[in-house]
Amino acid sequence: GQQVMQIPQYQHVQEGEDFTTYCNSSTTLSNIQWYKQRPGGHPVFLIQLVKSGEVKKQKRLTFQFGEAKKNSSLHITATQTTDVGTYFCAGPDRGSTLGRLYFGRGTQLTVWP
Amino acid sequence: DAGVIQSPRHEVTEMGQEVTLRCKPISGHDYLFWYRQTMMRGLELLIYFNNNVPIDDSGMPEDRFSAKMPNASFSTLKIQPSEPRDSAVYFCASTLGQGNSPLHFGNGTRLTVT
Repeated sequence: GQQVMQIPQYQHVQEGEDFTTYCNSSTTLSNIQWYKQRPGGHPVFLIQLVKSGEVKKQKRLTFQFGEAKKNSSLHITATQTTDVGTYFCAGPDRGSTLGRLYFGRGTQLTVWP
Repeated sequence: DAGVIQSPRHEVTEMGQEVTLRCKPISGHDYLFWYRQTMMRGLELLIYFNNNVPIDDSGMPEDRFSAKMPNASFSTLKIQPSEPRDSAVYFCASTLGQGNSPLHFGNGTRLTVT
């Protein structure tokens, strides 16, 4: 079955340092979505990437979709304590327009002040 | 827009009891998903509905779990009888249309079965 692998599982950084989480799929994805879950909260949609090689930015966050559409990354520049949380990538079932979304296990980010 | 509304926020019950979790999706959304989140297994899709019809329930762990969507504005996830290993956070999410639209999650129900 389809799997979405995400690394690292945990990342501890000092405020101001950069952070990157990586997502890999066993199959080609039609698109990939990124979510953020604050401690005690629920996943909140951040962004969706659709095109091969696509790069999108949201302030200090940079999202990339690989050329083969099998991997993706989220990079945060100069982390802040407000960035604390777990970041998930999610990809759909191969060939489906909507169906199961396979979530990675997430990367839990801790930011030390 | 009130978002996806789940109740209760917390549920503590004894093993063997029936548990019913409730969800009201965002008005107009035609897809509804039930997820379970645990430390061990992460976010797992249990079942999803399209226009109130169950489409894929392959993630439902056992016959003890059942889900219904009697109308477009309400869904339930029932566990009967509950077991300690069912302890988890259960999320309901909804989305509009096809094309892999983003999911809107509710605040979740934290279930503890003792």
